[in-house]
Amino acid sequence: QSALTQPPSASGSPGQSVTIPCTGTSRDVGAYDHVSWYQQYPGKVPKLIIYGVNKRPSGVPDRFSGSKSGNTASLTVSGLQAEDEADYYCSAYGGGNVYWVFGGGTKLTVL
Amino acid sequence: QVQLQESGPGLVKPSETLSLTCTVSGGSISVDNYYWGWIRQPPGKGLEWIGCIYYSGNTYYNPSLKSRVTISVDTSKNHFSLRLISATAADTAVYYCARRAGGGGGFQAWGQGILVTVSS
Repeated sequence: QSALTQPPSASGSPGQSVTIPCTGTSRDVGAYDHVSWYQQYPGKVPKLIIYGVNKRPSGVPDRFSGSKSGNTASLTVSGLQAEDEADYYCSAYGGGNVYWVFGGGTKLTVL
Repeated sequence: QVQLQESGPGLVKPSETLSLTCTVSGGSISVDNYYWGWIRQPPGKGLEWIGCIYYSGNTYYNPSLKSRVTISVDTSKNHFSLRLISATAADTAVYYCARRAGGGGGFQAWGQGILVTVSS
C-alpha cells in the first residue's frame, strides 16, 4: 500500500485538461512544499516534470502544472496531447522518519 | 550533464544479498546539495523509494527496508552502492539509481534501471 493515494486511472480527450490528485497526510503533503511529479512511459525511465509543488524543470512544457491544497497535491495537464498518455507518479517528503514516499501511480489515457 | 549507470547481477538467489553499484559520470558525486538514491519498481507496479546518501556518507532509508538495506558511497570512484540482505521474490524489481537536489528538488537524473530477479 502506497503512502500517497492516487486514482489508478484518468482520461481526457485531446485539447482538454485533466487533473490528477495525490492525497497524503498532514505529515507529508500537508507539511512540506516538497511535492514532485514524474511521467513514465511503458518500459522507460521516470522523468521529473514538477518539483517543489509547482516548479517545472527546463524543457517541460508549461501545459504541465502543479498545485497543492491542504493534504492534497494535484497535477494538471492542459491541452492534452496524445504524447501525454503515460503513467504519472507523485512523491512527497514525509519528514525525518519517513523521508520520501511515492503514490501508487495514475495511468493517463488520451481518448 | 550528469549520467548514472547501474550495474550488478541480474539474478539473485533467495536469502542471498542483492548488491548494485551506480556509477556517476559527467560530474562529481561530491557536490553540495545533491543526494544520491535508489528507487525500485516491481514488474507492473509503482515506484518505491529505498534510500539516499550524501557524499559525506549520511544515509536516509525507507523505514520498511531499513533493517535490510545499506547504501554506501565511494567518492574516489565516483560511485555509490546498494546492499539488500535476505532477498526474497518480493524484492524482484527494476532498480534505479537517481540524483535528487536538496530542499524541495525531485529526482532529476536517473539511471536506465537494472532488472534484478530473485529466484532459485
